[in-house]
Amino acid sequence: DVKVTQSSRYLVKRTGEKVFLECVQDMDHENMFWYRQDPGLGLRLIYFSYDVKMKEKGDIPEGYSVSREKKERFSLILESASTNQTSMYLCASKGFRSEAFFGQGTRLTVV
Amino acid sequence: QQPVQSPQAVILREGEDAVINCSSSKALYSVHWYRQKHGEAPVFLMILLKGGEQKGHEKISASFNEKKQQSSLYLTASQLSYSGTYFCGTPRTGTASKLTFGTGTRLQVTL
Repeated sequence: DVKVTQSSRYLVKRTGEKVFLECVQDMDHENMFWYRQDPGLGLRLIYFSYDVKMKEKGDIPEGYSVSREKKERFSLILESASTNQTSMYLCASKGFRSEAFFGQGTRLTVV
Repeated sequence: QQPVQSPQAVILREGEDAVINCSSSKALYSVHWYRQKHGEAPVFLMILLKGGEQKGHEKISASFNEKKQQSSLYLTASQLSYSGTYFCGTPRTGTASKLTFGTGTRLQVTL
């Protein structure tokens, strides 16, 4: 049973804090993604990684960074959390020519 | 950059049909369709490749017209279990694995 696991389902952080969202996949996929989901805006791509230590910016990378030190793990970092980063964050992984598998999501609230 | 989906939301009675459209301003090489039920992760439904191919999943089928840069998802004789938010995903030009998702269509099936 394929799995993408996000470290937290719910997080509450204070404005200005550095926040780490972790994602682990067990399918040996090359590609991993971080999306942000907001009502009416669908899934917006924040960052994409196609290999260890390789990354590309998505459509809304401002205020975020990522780290991929191992193939199975992809971390999203909010350098200084702000209230407009309150959202649902979804991690996904994908093999070459395969579908994407999503984690359960992390609902982040910044107060 | 994001594909645009229409309608944004639709309410159906059980047994009725619906069509969800996905349009892109960029050339499409393939289209993925996913469904996200409330509180759950998005789940893959089908992928369509170049060539106007139609695919099916239960009573859900889809078409892909690369010339018009659009895809449509057809839900026939809808069931309560079809309720959820539907997303189309398209790879970015030159990067087959970098998936960008649409704005989403919320579908509610009632008795």
